[in-house]
Amino acid sequence: QQQVKQSPQSLIVQKGGIPIINCAYENTAFDYFPWYQQFPGKGPALLIAIRPDVSEKKEGRFTISFNKSAKQFSLHIMDSQPGDSATYFCAARSGGYQKVTFGTGTKLQVIP
Amino acid sequence: DTGVSQDPRHKITKRGQNVTFRCDPISEHNRLYWYRQTLGQGPEFLTYFQNEAQLEKSRLLSDRFSAERPKGSFSTLEIQRTEQGDSAMYLCASSSRGGEVYGYTFGSGTRLTVV
Repeated sequence: QQQVKQSPQSLIVQKGGIPIINCAYENTAFDYFPWYQQFPGKGPALLIAIRPDVSEKKEGRFTISFNKSAKQFSLHIMDSQPGDSATYFCAARSGGYQKVTFGTGTKLQVIP
Repeated sequence: DTGVSQDPRHKITKRGQNVTFRCDPISEHNRLYWYRQTLGQGPEFLTYFQNEAQLEKSRLLSDRFSAERPKGSFSTLEIQRTEQGDSAMYLCASSSRGGEVYGYTFGSGTRLTVV
């Protein structure tokens, strides 16, 4: 059962473009929504995260938009750079154990 | 290096053999997680430790899998009688009680290939 649905599976943008990755969830017990960035051969690294009582969070060129009523959230990357080429995972956390459920990932390629 | 360390980075084994992986979390982190990631997929939760206690196990963790975290420090994940379907990246992550701020810190993983 996939609890966090992520789209698109892959994305190609020109340098300077604004890729947008979308995620949706069903479980209202989720209380924290992180995004992870993963480069080949490396483990995922926390990029930015948001709580469901906040509609938007911005850190540098990365922005999360959160729609609690629709149970959807998205990642925007402003002024994308070739170095942003990686796989991005949305995720959601629940419970006291802080267990994180991941989406299926979006492979982003930023073309110079 | 104060990150999460995993060893080995790569392991190739023959079907039916046993393998053991090690994870050294960030020293002040009391929570430790094992995940499995197959090609083109997101990490899937396997098990969770708080200090030395294993508090949750996924149904993905068959009887052939066992994990422990003696003394609440490093952790090991053992797979007995490996099968080709066990081929994956095994990721370890740790967090502190305040993980909501920093989230998990993942290691670079152990890539297992069963031939």
